[in-house]
Amino acid sequence: GIQVEQSPPDLILQEGANSTLRCNFSDSVNNLQWFHQNPWGQLINLFYIPSGTKQNGRLSATTVATERYSLLYISSSQTTDSGVYFCAVNQAGTALIFGKGTTLSVSS
Amino acid sequence: GAGVSQSPRYKVAKRGQDVALRCDPISGHVSLFWYQQALGQGPEFLTYFQNEAQLDKSGLPSDRFFAERPEGSVSTLKIQRTQQEDSAVYLCASSLVSTIEQYFGPGTRLTVT
Repeated sequence: GIQVEQSPPDLILQEGANSTLRCNFSDSVNNLQWFHQNPWGQLINLFYIPSGTKQNGRLSATTVATERYSLLYISSSQTTDSGVYFCAVNQAGTALIFGKGTTLSVSS
Repeated sequence: GAGVSQSPRYKVAKRGQDVALRCDPISGHVSLFWYQQALGQGPEFLTYFQNEAQLDKSGLPSDRFFAERPEGSVSTLKIQRTQQEDSAVYLCASSLVSTIEQYFGPGTRLTVT
């Protein structure tokens, strides 16, 4: 099956710093999603981005499907950005396969 | 509109008890998925429905796990004779069709004592 690798596993930032999270996947996919899991465990949809670039406020994401990776950019980080960020992919008609996540801690 | 809802949010069961976890998907969503998330890990697939048909149950860890979606809307995940290793967060997700964006509920945290 498809392998999903996320890096770095842990990231510690000061408030206001920028960061880049990476997701590599081992095969072609139909769907790629980025999620933020908040401290209460809720998975919040950030981006649905099987290819191309999207931006939403301080967050943006780029997926290069031909090279099998995706990047999530967080600019001017805030303490509320803390939590675990997951990348997940699937192929047609199958369930999402998640990476192990990147745990982000932003301190003030 | 309303998102995916799950109940109960927390469940404590004694080893050997049966439990039933409920998922209400977003109205009109055809596809429904169940995932299991162990502490410190990413969610892992359990089973998938398209309308009322269970198309994939390859992720169910044992025959003690059973899921149904009889009318193509609400789904129930049942675990019989719970064991300590069943302790996890159980997440439900729905999507319009299986190949596009999935939306997750808040999860049910199951603790087996």
